[in-house]
Amino acid sequence: GENVEQHPSTLSVQEGDSAVIKCTYSDSASNYFPWYKQELGKRPQLIIDIRSNVGEKKDQRIAVTLNKTAKHFSLHITETQPEDSAVYFCAATKQGAQKLVFGQGTRLTINP
Amino acid sequence: GAGVSQSPSNKVTEKGKDVELRCDPISGHTALYWYRQRLGQGLEFLIYFQGNSAPDKSGLPSDRFSAERTGESVSTLTIQRTQQEDSAVYLCASSQGLNNQPQHFGDGTRLSIL
Repeated sequence: GENVEQHPSTLSVQEGDSAVIKCTYSDSASNYFPWYKQELGKRPQLIIDIRSNVGEKKDQRIAVTLNKTAKHFSLHITETQPEDSAVYFCAATKQGAQKLVFGQGTRLTINP
Repeated sequence: GAGVSQSPSNKVTEKGKDVELRCDPISGHTALYWYRQRLGQGLEFLIYFQGNSAPDKSGLPSDRFSAERTGESVSTLTIQRTQQEDSAVYLCASSQGLNNQPQHFGDGTRLSIL
């Protein structure tokens, strides 16, 4: 089955700097890759997603890139702010599977 | 509009007892998913429903776990004869349909087995 690896497990950056979180997946048939942000004690919130027919997607300060050949995708947050501090999860799934397979999460801390 | 609603938000029970967790999906969402999140871990898939049918139950850890959905709306996840390793946050999500539609999560039920 699908396996998703996420790195790093923790990331600390200065406010205003960029943060990058990387995920690799094992199943070449996977074609949908969402990213979730989870603040302490809160629900995971979908912040951006990408499908395998595109290589990059942006939404304001957040972008996701996908490399199908290498089977990895990354989350980029620019101009980080204290409210970006949270745990971020990547996930992958394929047509017909429905279930999301999640990475282990990255705890991002933005230092003022 | 209202998001995914789960109840109770917290449940503490003794080992060996049965528990029922409830999920109300976003209105009109035909697909509903249950995941489990152990402390400091990622989310593990348990089961999903399309309408009232469960095509994939492969994530249910044992036969102590079961789930049902009625009226293409509310779902309940039942854990019988709870064990300490069942302690986790149980998250429900719903989506407008299948085929990689975005999944939106509830706040979860934090289950603690004493």
